[in-house]
Amino acid sequence: GAGVSQSPSNKVTEKGKDVELRCDPISGHTALYWYRQSLGQGLEFLIYFQGNSAPDKSGLPSDRFSAERTGGSVSTLTIQRTQQEDSAVYLCASSLGGNTIYFGEGSWLTVV
Amino acid sequence: AQSVTQLGSHVSVSEGALVLLRCNYSSSVPPYLFWYVQYPNQGLQLLLKYTTGATLVKGINGFEAEFKKSETSFHLTKPSAHMSDAAEYFCAVTSGGSQGNLIFGKGTKLSVKP
Repeated sequence: GAGVSQSPSNKVTEKGKDVELRCDPISGHTALYWYRQSLGQGLEFLIYFQGNSAPDKSGLPSDRFSAERTGGSVSTLTIQRTQQEDSAVYLCASSLGGNTIYFGEGSWLTVV
Repeated sequence: AQSVTQLGSHVSVSEGALVLLRCNYSSSVPPYLFWYVQYPNQGLQLLLKYTTGATLVKGINGFEAEFKKSETSFHLTKPSAHMSDAAEYFCAVTSGGSQGNLIFGKGTKLSVKP
């Protein structure tokens, strides 16, 4: 597609359930990023994939969070045993180098 | 380590007035600097970026920013605010190269009064 595509756009889940958020990067982009945007917290880096290199997971807040990128394209962010503090907008982005990073519109997660 | 500080979480200007959104960064290596805009319920859109070369960079929608190394600043300006500029603006820094990830400031919400 023309831009970064994320699904679902909105997700309401019960505390303790697992959720999966999907990201389709711009075709051909080798780098893929996940960020979290919480009210009043700004944008928080979560994880970064670059080609076939080992991902930079330094931003993942706990071991309940994981992400994978299959075939160097689509990525899934998984949150296990969701907590209320996980409620946020999860933004995916991709780039081809040159440091221009293009963002999707985000997945709005609400944990009730 | 890199960091970004945006002074003022909220800025309010009148339509037609100058817009000035402040950003200071900290970086031990030459930085690449960015401004992104986020309209309500939308993702982030790149306004402009500085990598190397000319320190005054022009972006979309009439915005520009100047990289001042001596002041470690990258303030965003627009001569005349428009109602459609109301949004949240994020300054970001990365260390450059194809493996950098962006470090964002906490954002500045711009309101434009008629």
